[in-house]
Amino acid sequence: AQSVTQPDIHITVSEGASLELRCNYSYGATPYLFWYVQSPGQGLQLLLKYFSGDTLVQGIKGFEAEFKRSQSSFNLRKPSVHWSDAAEYFCAVASFTGGGNKLTFGTGTQLKVEL
Amino acid sequence: NAGVTQTPKFQVLKTGQSMTLQCAQDMNHEYMSWYRQDPGMGLRLIHYSVGAGITDQGEVPNGYNVSRSTTEDFPLRLLSAAPSQTSVYFCASSYRRDRNEKLFFGSGTQLSVL
Repeated sequence: AQSVTQPDIHITVSEGASLELRCNYSYGATPYLFWYVQSPGQGLQLLLKYFSGDTLVQGIKGFEAEFKRSQSSFNLRKPSVHWSDAAEYFCAVASFTGGGNKLTFGTGTQLKVEL
Repeated sequence: NAGVTQTPKFQVLKTGQSMTLQCAQDMNHEYMSWYRQDPGMGLRLIHYSVGAGITDQGEVPNGYNVSRSTTEDFPLRLLSAAPSQTSVYFCASSYRRDRNEKLFFGSGTQLSVL
């Protein structure tokens, strides 16, 4: 069965500092990986996704993620964090059922940004 | 477009009561699904549907029923609510053409069962 591990429950960074959120996955085939962000009281917004090709993927809001098959990782990065980036971040891996992507989510990383 | 609309946004139930969480999408998506979100556990798939008249179980289906009579609507029913069902519920939808389809999420329903 597929699974996703986000080892950091909480992370605090200063505004302007760089950010890396860790994600490790377990999946038997080529994984389809996603990062979502959830602001308080809101639904999930897709930041970026990896299906194939270039292992460094660019997303919205200046985020990027790098797929490393050898490490089973898909870490999210941002060079300079803004206060508005404070939110909860979820990594997910998809299994395609033939009718839609069933996502298995990690437990999330809560990001706090200090001004 | 409204996207994925969930109602109500908040609900408090007593143990044993029944209720239906509503989910509607106006994007003509074939695929719809329900997730629950609990602290420290991320989001877990409850039920999903790949089209009208077709539903299947996800990771945590017990205590929940679904049906899909139209493409637009995918209600989630709690027949006899239990405190363990206190959670935030998200509905999500997408086209089902291939893996590249983006999943759209509703804004959630916060449910408390006393």
